[in-house]
This record gives sequence, structure tokens and C-alpha cells, in this order.
Amino acid sequence: EAQVTQNPRYLITVTGKKLTVTCSQNMNHEYMSWYRQDPGLGLRQIYYSMNVEVTDKGDVPEGYKVSRKEKRNFPLILESPSPNQTSLYFCASSSGTVSYEQYFGPGTRLTVT
Amino acid sequence: RKEVEQDPGPFNVPEGATVAFNCTYSNSASQSFFWYRQDCRKEPKLLMSVYSSGNEDGRFTAQLNRASQYISLLIRDSKLSDSATYLCVVIPNDMRFGAGTRLTVKP
Repeated sequence: EAQVTQNPRYLITVTGKKLTVTCSQNMNHEYMSWYRQDPGLGLRQIYYSMNVEVTDKGDVPEGYKVSRKEKRNFPLILESPSPNQTSLYFCASSSGTVSYEQYFGPGTRLTVT
Repeated sequence: RKEVEQDPGPFNVPEGATVAFNCTYSNSASQSFFWYRQDCRKEPKLLMSVYSSGNEDGRFTAQLNRASQYISLLIRDSKLSDSATYLCVVIPNDMRFGAGTRLTVKP
């Protein structure tokens, strides 16, 4: 089954404790991205990747890191999480550029206390 | 002004009603437009693309008005299963999501 998977789905952590949210897709997509969704603000792009070893900042990259060592994986790293990073996070992938249909993962609900 | 603006709703309509949502965008260079549907606590999924000539998919019709810089989504004969949040997406050079319009269809 074609899908985007994220782990963990739910995470409660404390300020400053490094964490990684994994994202993996099995559709051989080149384009992958991370979004955060907050009430009233919609989805905002954090980082995106056009291909392996190619990543770029989105609208809200501060406090986040990503890597793309393999085509299928695109982990999101929070080196020192803060409460303002409490949000719902989605990973997405598509076969071409951003104009193609985006397939989203199930989401990761992160709470930083 | 936000790049993409939607009426957040909620829109509460009875089954069988026709409901329409609009989404305005600020970047006149935008080239691609989509509507996504998001169920509560779930991931967004593509509902339909929006073409310059307008397009229809069953009970759903999407239209683009470049002169006034808005896209619209019309849902006819609403079903209970249409209850969701509808996100418009505008692409000048990357994806810009609206905050979503929440629709509740009631029996």
C-alpha cells in the first residue's frame, strides 16, 4: 500500500530534550516536506527536500533541522524543543514538484512542556 | 494581509443543501490551485485540482476567478460524510495553505 508513515504519532516531552520525528514514504517520491498545523494558522511549511541531500527552508524553519540521506526518509529533528513548538506535524511527499498531489502522513501531535 | 484567506466557518447545513466556500489569494502570479479535505485529527487529502476552465467531480465543482483572485468550491446535495475541514491551496512557487473552512452537515 502506498503510504507516508510518521513516528511517533503522539509525543509529550520537556523543554530542551532533543527529539526526532521520523517520516518514510514507499512511493519513490523525490519531493518531501514537513508542515506544522496550528489553529487559525493553517499548514505552514517548515522544510522541504527536492531530492536526496537537497533540503531547503520553508516558512518557519527556526528550531528545526532535517536531513535527506535516503530518498524514502526525511526525519525532522528538534535539537532543543520549546513550548512554542507544540503543534501537529505532518510529513508529505509528492512525485514531482510541489504542484503535484501531496500525500500526507498521519500526523504527529507534539506537546512540549 | 494573509497570502491565502478562507472563511473559517463553521458552516452548518442540513443534508441535501448546497454550500459554497471561497478562498482568496494575494499573489497574482499563482499558477496552481487545489482543494484538500481534512477530517478531524487526520491528514489532509487531495479533493480536487482547480483548473482555469473550472472542473466538476460528481457533486463537487471547483472554479477559479483570476481577475478577482479567488477560487471556490461548491458542494451540491450535501451528505453527512461531507463534514470536514476544506483547505484551499495556492501555489505561486510553493504550497500556500488556507487555514480551512469547517463544514458540518446535519441530518
